[in-house]
Amino acid sequence: DQQVKQNSPSLSVQEGRISILNCDYTNSMFDYFLWYKKYPAEGPTFLISISSIKDKNEDGRFTVFLNKSAKHLSLHIVPSQPGDSAVYFCAASATYSGAGSYQLTFGKGTKLSVIP
Amino acid sequence: DAGVTQSPTHLIKTRGQHVTLRCSPISGHKSVSWYQQVLGQGPQFIFQYYEKEERGRGNFPDRFSARQFPNYSSELNVNALLLGDSALYLCASSLHAIKNEQFFGPGTRLTVL
Repeated sequence: DQQVKQNSPSLSVQEGRISILNCDYTNSMFDYFLWYKKYPAEGPTFLISISSIKDKNEDGRFTVFLNKSAKHLSLHIVPSQPGDSAVYFCAASATYSGAGSYQLTFGKGTKLSVIP
Repeated sequence: DAGVTQSPTHLIKTRGQHVTLRCSPISGHKSVSWYQQVLGQGPQFIFQYYEKEERGRGNFPDRFSARQFPNYSSELNVNALLLGDSALYLCASSLHAIKNEQFFGPGTRLTVL
C-alpha cells in the first residue's frame, strides 16, 4: 500500500521552461511534506518543505503547492536549469503520529531531465 | 560544516553474514534516522533514534537493529544477511525528533552475494 505516489517516473523539460512535479498521498494524518533531490551516488538533498497549515511555500526558483482536499502537492521549478536534472522525491510525515517519531514516507521518485 | 557522514561507502557480503554500518550526524543534531533504498524505489524508513533512545521503527524484521551513542553517532546492524538486503542504506540527521528537515548522508551501498 503506497501512501505517497509519484505517478510520473520521468519528465523532460526544456531549459528556461517550468518543471512541474506532482505527488499524491493517501494518509490523512500526513501534515508535513518535503521535496528532496537526488543525484546518482549521492544522498537525497533537502529542497523545500511545507506544513499542512499552508498551501504554498517559495524558495527562490522552487515553489511547493499543497492541495489538502485533493491530497495533492506539486513542486514548480522556474526557470529550469540543466543542473536541476536529477531524481526528485516527494516525502511526507505524520508529525503527531505519537511517541515523537518523525519518519518520512517517500514516493518512488520522478527523474527530471532538463534539456539545454 | 561537515554534513552527515557514513562509512563504509561500499560493502560486499555473502548470505548469512552480519554487517555494521556507521553514521555521524551533522554537529549539533541529536536525531538520526536510517532508511533503506532499493533500486527504483524511494527510501524506506528503518529506525529513528533521538537522545540515544529508539523513537520509531519501520516494518523491518528483527535482523535489523541500531543504536545511538552519547556523541549522537549511530550504527545500523543487520544479521543473517539475505540477497534482498542489497540496497543503499541512508542515514539522515535532524536537530530534533519531530518536524525538522532531515539531512541525508551519501549512503552505504551494500551488496549481498
